[in-house]
Amino acid sequence: ETGVTQSPTHLIKTRGQQVTLRCSSQSGHNTVSWYQQALGQGPQFIFQYYREEENGRGNFPPRFSGLQFPNYSSELNVNALELDDSALYLCASSRQGAGQYFGPGTRLTVT
Amino acid sequence: QQQVKQSPQSLIVQKGGISIINCAYENTAFDYFPWYQQFPGKGPALLIAIRPDVSEKKEGRFTISFNKSAKQFSLHIMDSQPGDSATYFCAASIEYAGGTSYGKLTFGQGTILTVHP
Repeated sequence: ETGVTQSPTHLIKTRGQQVTLRCSSQSGHNTVSWYQQALGQGPQFIFQYYREEENGRGNFPPRFSGLQFPNYSSELNVNALELDDSALYLCASSRQGAGQYFGPGTRLTVT
Repeated sequence: QQQVKQSPQSLIVQKGGISIINCAYENTAFDYFPWYQQFPGKGPALLIAIRPDVSEKKEGRFTISFNKSAKQFSLHIMDSQPGDSATYFCAASIEYAGGTSYGKLTFGQGTILTVHP
């Protein structure tokens, strides 16, 4: 088990709604990355936060946004939810020069 | 554009056998190659990782072999056990970009490993 926690575990939203997912990073880690994992696929990089600033972004639209707080915890916000946003959302924390450690994920279902 | 290709999609091995999963990458700037193990309903767990300055790394029953010239790397699981049954992902990243840790992981499509008792 890593020290990365995510909340909530599961979430059901309606198309067009907005959602906020939360992540607490492992102690000593200053970098948080978010990934989207569709069923049967590998995780896809959404973006990364380092020292409270976005530090790289994958091929996701602007309605995916995030924040990192001074304690290195992070939020992922998704606006105008679409059916294709249904997936497992994973948070990974790391520090420079070391591996990324994933949390258990949040399962988002959009109906 | 898929930058990391993983094979096979699924693998069935008998208990005690060797499981071998292969990955190929395209971006020669990648400098960190981890393998992750994922059980149903769980997040990926970091198993073992290698950097391109070595050709092999072993941790317990898990070994990564790395071929820089061929842009390929593989995971070998020795003495495979039923508890190893899971989905395995290879990944690659550029660890440093302009002095700031970047570390965007690009994942393969995954291999579903089943180890029969």
